[in-house]
Amino acid sequence: EVQLVESGGGLVQPGRSLKLSCVASGFTFSNYGMNWIRQAPGKGLEWVAYISSGSSYIYYAETVKGRFTISRDNAKNTLYLQMTSLRSEDTALYYCEGDSYWGQGVMVTVSS
Amino acid sequence: DVVMTQTPVSLSLAIGQPASISCKSSQSLLGTSGKTFLNWILQRPGQSPKRLIYQVSKLYSEVPDRFSGSGSETEFTLKISRVEAEDLGVYYCWQGTHFPHTFGAGTKLELK
Repeated sequence: EVQLVESGGGLVQPGRSLKLSCVASGFTFSNYGMNWIRQAPGKGLEWVAYISSGSSYIYYAETVKGRFTISRDNAKNTLYLQMTSLRSEDTALYYCEGDSYWGQGVMVTVSS
Repeated sequence: DVVMTQTPVSLSLAIGQPASISCKSSQSLLGTSGKTFLNWILQRPGQSPKRLIYQVSKLYSEVPDRFSGSGSETEFTLKISRVEAEDLGVYYCWQGTHFPHTFGAGTKLELK
């Protein structure tokens, strides 16, 4: 069974940092590009970042470029999202997605 | 960025009725590989999104064959031959051909 389990979310003040993790199991993680996608409360889905299987190709949404960093450790089957200079508009449920499977999401709330 | 326009915004249908959702992209989703990376996903209330269809018309193995996808270039359609109770939720189209990846705003399927 494929599982993607996100962690690392929480309540953080504006301007601070947070690092999300997504542990994958049930498929060959190192073969697949991975995405972070977020959903603000009551809103639709917004793509955040992509990393290719070998980390050679990385892309970001303009809204997070320069503030967020996507990375992966294929030996640990883990995807990361380092988020810095957080803003209130970054408040959302963050999903990792890979091989068409989605995690359950982790909530990030940016508020003073 | 590629804009994905979904219609209708909502659908109210009885069990057993057919459903049709349109998704139009602001530019062609035909990639240089010759593949069209247009996906459909379903987000049931309180759940994370689940995969339905990839590359316009290919159903994932666990998806019932009452679902079908069609289209090309910039116009795509998701059809449900006979709605069942488990089909309720928000349907999203999203494109993986161009970066940034983009999502439609969603179509909410409700029971009449």
